[in-house]
Amino acid sequence: EPEVTQTPSHQVTQMGQEVILRCVPISNHLYFYWYRQILGQKVEFLVSFYNNEISEKSEIFDDQFSVERPDGSNFTLKIRSTKLEDSAMYFCASSAGQFQPQHFGDGTRLSIL
Amino acid sequence: DAKTTQPTSMDCAEGRAANLPCNHSTISGNEYVYWYRQIHSQGPQYIIHGLKNNETNEMASLIITEDRKSSTLILPHATLRDTAVYYCIVSGGTSYGKLTFGQGTILTVHP
Repeated sequence: EPEVTQTPSHQVTQMGQEVILRCVPISNHLYFYWYRQILGQKVEFLVSFYNNEISEKSEIFDDQFSVERPDGSNFTLKIRSTKLEDSAMYFCASSAGQFQPQHFGDGTRLSIL
Repeated sequence: DAKTTQPTSMDCAEGRAANLPCNHSTISGNEYVYWYRQIHSQGPQYIIHGLKNNETNEMASLIITEDRKSSTLILPHATLRDTAVYYCIVSGGTSYGKLTFGQGTILTVHP
């Protein structure tokens, strides 16, 4: 069964550094998402992306965050200047249609020191 | 998106059916009910979704009341591997597919 893959599985970064989290969505999917989960807390929506542009974003997704689909297969989340509170699991998801089921990757654990 | 209410936790014996309820009294006509689960810190796993009709797939059944204000996820023969946090999520309408996760129900399946 096709799956969403995320790399790296664990990223350790110094505060203030830039980080890029990578995702390969399911190949025929058209909608892409990023979520995060701070340890012990709920899964939180960050952003949705369709047709090469952001369709919706949350309050968390401020100017420090950006997303890109640089080629036909990858979907990336960039955090420009990381803060301690950015430490979390980041999940990528993709779906075939706007209200079709979203399939999630296993996440990247981001640790900011 | 409509808010959902789920019990904090439930127990189930292995081999028995697990019935997980969800209230979504403010659901609007073009919103779907989705169920996902999360095992440990893994990515959420899609289980099933529906709009008005009851649905069944290889994992579970979804029963939606006629007024659509509540639903029940049924795992027909629970196994130890079904121990997880189960999320009932309402999404659709004017959103672009955003899923709003609550605290979910912690289902513990006992031997």
